[in-house]
Amino acid sequence: EAGVAQSPRYKIIEKRQSVAFWCNPISGHATLYWYQQILGQGPKLLIQFQNNGVVDDSQLPKDRFSAERLKGVDSTLKIQPAKLEDSAVYLCASSSLRDEQFFGPGTRLTVL
Amino acid sequence: QKEVEQNSGPLSVPEGAIASLNCTYSDRVSQSFFWYRQYSGKSPELIMSIYSNGDKEDGRFTAQLNKASQYVSLLIRDSQPSDSATYLCAAVTGGGNKLTFGTGTQLKVEL
Repeated sequence: EAGVAQSPRYKIIEKRQSVAFWCNPISGHATLYWYQQILGQGPKLLIQFQNNGVVDDSQLPKDRFSAERLKGVDSTLKIQPAKLEDSAVYLCASSSLRDEQFFGPGTRLTVL
Repeated sequence: QKEVEQNSGPLSVPEGAIASLNCTYSDRVSQSFFWYRQYSGKSPELIMSIYSNGDKEDGRFTAQLNKASQYVSLLIRDSQPSDSATYLCAAVTGGGNKLTFGTGTQLKVEL
């Protein structure tokens, strides 16, 4: 069974630029999550989708972050404009009916 | 009180010893708990889930849940240098399977 796929793996941008990340979940997993992990901290949930509907986006900075999952499968997360404090690893995870979540390899973002 | 708390470590144990990693949680979490292992520069990898009071064993790993004392622990028997990583404790919070993570405990297994 293929795991969660993410791209790109690394991205370096300057502040105020925009960036987008892509995620393809494990086949058949209805729930998709985007997390932000800052060095030395645990992952923090940004947004959770159930199929193509948003379940929780309470910690998503909506003035600069947006996410979509149009057909209930893959998803994109966008940051516009980026700030220095957005430097982090962005992790995508997916789960089926149980709570167990499986993570993709992540995208390491550096904002200069 | 944070919803999920862990000692950041590092926790150092000699090779072959038992490593004990602990996590406490608040009343705001549900009763589903997970342990993830994260190697430096890699993403978290699920190693154990536990949902009911007591012990759950999988190979060299044992997860323990004590609801009365609100803690969950992970024991690693016969620790190997390859077990050196950060171990993240996570709990389901809220109604939609949202996971809240602790800050992680760094484990070092020394030769």
